[in-house]
Amino acid sequence: SYVLTQPPSVSVAPGQTARITCGGNNIGSKSVHWYQQKPGQAPVLVVYDDSDRPSGIPERFSGSNSGNTATLTISRVEAGDEADYYCQVWDSSSDHPRVFGGGTKLTVL
Amino acid sequence: EVQLVESGGGLVQPGGSLRLSCAASGFTFSSYDMHWVRQATGKGLEWVSAIGTAGDTYYPGSVKGRFTISRENAKNSLYLQMNSLRAGDTAVYYCARGRTGGFDYWGQGTLVTVSS
Repeated sequence: SYVLTQPPSVSVAPGQTARITCGGNNIGSKSVHWYQQKPGQAPVLVVYDDSDRPSGIPERFSGSNSGNTATLTISRVEAGDEADYYCQVWDSSSDHPRVFGGGTKLTVL
Repeated sequence: EVQLVESGGGLVQPGGSLRLSCAASGFTFSSYDMHWVRQATGKGLEWVSAIGTAGDTYYPGSVKGRFTISRENAKNSLYLQMNSLRAGDTAVYYCARGRTGGFDYWGQGTLVTVSS
């Protein structure tokens, strides 16, 4: 089945830019979705279809996808952005079509 | 406002069964694919099942033959029948609305614990 690889952790100072990567074979040919999950809460969709934002998600959250890597970029990071972030794709050729990355813990220093 | 509220979780012995429910509101339930996604404590997210608007169902190999997803559009409800439960099925189970291959709304989850 399709595998998505994320770094376990990313650390960034407030006001800086955080970049969280999601690696997969030819992931650029798939639509990537990103979720934010804070402790004890359900995941929240922050970016869909590579780079679109749901209503209510700040413009500070953006996404890109090309080749073998998709990236979630969080600009002007705030303390409230500290959370786990998961990438996800739909692999229609797989018997496990909804695939998640292992998650990245974003720490705001 | 879209709301998804899960119920039915609890403690069950290995080999036992449990039925989860998800009550949906704030959108036309019959028009959306619906999913169950689970998360073991301290672990990542795992997709568990999906049901399309026509009632077509999909499962990963880890639960195929043991779990059954269903929906009752007249009651705006989604269900997950879980049989032959194992310790590895212990997790918080989330109901989620499908959107272009992803999930745009999630419930708060219900905890399933499989233990003797």
